[in-house]
Amino acid sequence: AQRVTQPEKLLSVFKGAPVELKCNYSYSGSPELFWYVQYSRQRLQLLLRHISRESIKGFTADLNKGETSFHLKKPFAQEEDSAMYYCALRDSGGYQKVTFGTGTKLQVIP
Amino acid sequence: NAGVTQTPKFQVLKTGQSMTLQCAQDMNHNSMYWYRQDPGMGLRLIYYSASEGTTDKGEVPNGYNVSRLNKREFSLRLESAAPSQTSVYFCASRGLNLDTQYFGPGTRLTVL
Repeated sequence: AQRVTQPEKLLSVFKGAPVELKCNYSYSGSPELFWYVQYSRQRLQLLLRHISRESIKGFTADLNKGETSFHLKKPFAQEEDSAMYYCALRDSGGYQKVTFGTGTKLQVIP
Repeated sequence: NAGVTQTPKFQVLKTGQSMTLQCAQDMNHNSMYWYRQDPGMGLRLIYYSASEGTTDKGEVPNGYNVSRLNKREFSLRLESAAPSQTSVYFCASRGLNLDTQYFGPGTRLTVL
């Protein structure tokens, strides 16, 4: 069974401070991991995926298979980063099942 | 493209009533999903459909049924609504060999 754990329900940081949103997973195969973001009154949207190793809006995330983690990081938080962030894992087999974590609300204090 | 659309946007039901949540996508995607979002619980998968004609249970399927009517449409039915089904319901779709799931705007359901 695949599982995604986001240990923090709420993370509050000051503007300009570094941000790290934690995500740990359990999966028997080779994981495909994503971060999704939901801004206030908007629909959920993809932020980034581990395969592309990209940086979006200053955010990066590295897959650490040894620690089974996929933490989301940004060196300097902005007020517009305040949102709900979800880590997700997709089944790389035939079923295409996607499992989300419980989410972390990021609050950037001006 | 409208992307993923859901109807209705809001609904209030009484315990025991039934209703169907509709979802449609115009991106020719193969996979479609239904999630519920609850405070402190995040997004939980109810049912998904990897392709037209197939459906599978997710984490919390009890009390729900789904129909993949065709490639575009994936409906979620509550046969006898319960207060525990008060939630925000999201539909999503994903194309073959594509990473991204595209989400609908959600349906806010209240069961009294």
